[in-house]
Amino acid sequence: SYELTQPPSVSVSPGQTATISCSGKELGDKYVCWFQQKPGQSPVMVIYQDTKRPSGIPVRFSGSNSGNTATLTISGTQAMDEADYYCQAWDRSAYVFGTGTKVTVL
Amino acid sequence: QVHLQESGPGLVKPSQTLSLTCTVSGGSVSRGGYYWNWIRQFPGKGLEWIGYIFYSGSTHYDPSLKSRITISLDPSKDQFSLNLNSVTAADTAVYYCARGNGSALDFWGQGTLVTVSS
Repeated sequence: SYELTQPPSVSVSPGQTATISCSGKELGDKYVCWFQQKPGQSPVMVIYQDTKRPSGIPVRFSGSNSGNTATLTISGTQAMDEADYYCQAWDRSAYVFGTGTKVTVL
Repeated sequence: QVHLQESGPGLVKPSQTLSLTCTVSGGSVSRGGYYWNWIRQFPGKGLEWIGYIFYSGSTHYDPSLKSRITISLDPSKDQFSLNLNSVTAADTAVYYCARGNGSALDFWGQGTLVTVSS
């Protein structure tokens, strides 16, 4: 089955840039979504189709996808961005999630 | 705005069947093009896709669960359901329903915790 690998954790200082990677075979050939999940809440989509932001998602969230790696970038990270982040792709008619990354804003 | 809400027992005994329903409002489950999904999250762990039913009624399940699950659609109530049989403690998780819009899972329910215990 298809696998998506993320770093377990990323730490960032307030106002700095957080970068979260998501690796999978030929991932650049697939569309990638990113979800933010805060404790006790359901996931919220922050990026879809690699680079697009849903309505209401701040512009500091951006995405890219090329080769075997997709990246979520949070520019000017705020304390409210502390959460778990998951990438997700569509492979052979199935939804596949990444392993998840905990972002800590120090 | 589409809203999804899970419902069902929060406690299921081992070897029995876990049954959950997702009620969709603000949109119709029979509207073309959408995948109606079930996803679960083990305590303190990541997200695991379980399967979906397409608006046409066709289904696709995770291979590791395929022998134990059934997802069905009730367009008259704008609901879809999950049945997971022969449950064990390892099936204890928060279960989410979500709408698949092409490659993206764009709307999610709030999730419901199901505990498998005698």
